[in-house]
Amino acid sequence: AQRVTQPEKLLSVFKGAPVELKCNYSYSGSPELFWYVQYSRQRLQLLLRHISRESIKGFTADLNKGETSFHLKKPFAQEEDSAMYYCAGQGNAGGTSYGKLTFGQGTILTVHP
Amino acid sequence: DAGITQSPRHKVTETGTPVTLRCHQTENHRYMYWYRQDPGHGLRLIHYSYGVKDTDKGEVSDGYSVSRSKTEDFLLTLESATSSQTSVYFCAISEFPSGSYEQYFGPGTRLTVT
Repeated sequence: AQRVTQPEKLLSVFKGAPVELKCNYSYSGSPELFWYVQYSRQRLQLLLRHISRESIKGFTADLNKGETSFHLKKPFAQEEDSAMYYCAGQGNAGGTSYGKLTFGQGTILTVHP
Repeated sequence: DAGITQSPRHKVTETGTPVTLRCHQTENHRYMYWYRQDPGHGLRLIHYSYGVKDTDKGEVSDGYSVSRSKTEDFLLTLESATSSQTSVYFCAISEFPSGSYEQYFGPGTRLTVT
């Protein structure tokens, strides 16, 4: 089965420090990968998708096929970045996937003032 | 936000009672999903639908059933609620297969089973 792993349940940094949220996947081929963010008691919203290669709210994520990683990075964390972050990937490598996503366990990021 | 609503937003119920959660979308997307969110487990797929009256099980489907009689509504039923089903439930929709795998989420329903 396809897996998405986020090894850190909690991550704390101070404002202005760099932050990296780790994500590893176990897909073959060229998976579609995403980062979702959930602010306190709000719905999940898409932060980044690897195919668009864009920077949102200062966050970037690079797909490293050799290391099967899709880590989320920001050079200078802000207090408003405090949230739950989920890494997600397509549910099946091929065949009929029905658009399913597999989510990691999530990482709670806290940015201290 | 994509046009997705969930009702009720909060519910407290007793063990053994049936509960139905509703997801409503105005995007006319074919694919819909129900997840539960629990600390330490992330989001886990309960059931999904790939069309009207077309549904299938996800990874944690025991104790849950779903129905989809029209494109815009996807119902999740807890047949006999248990305390282990206390959770936050999210509905999601997807443009798949015409679009990417990106999913759009509803606001969630916080369910407490006492």
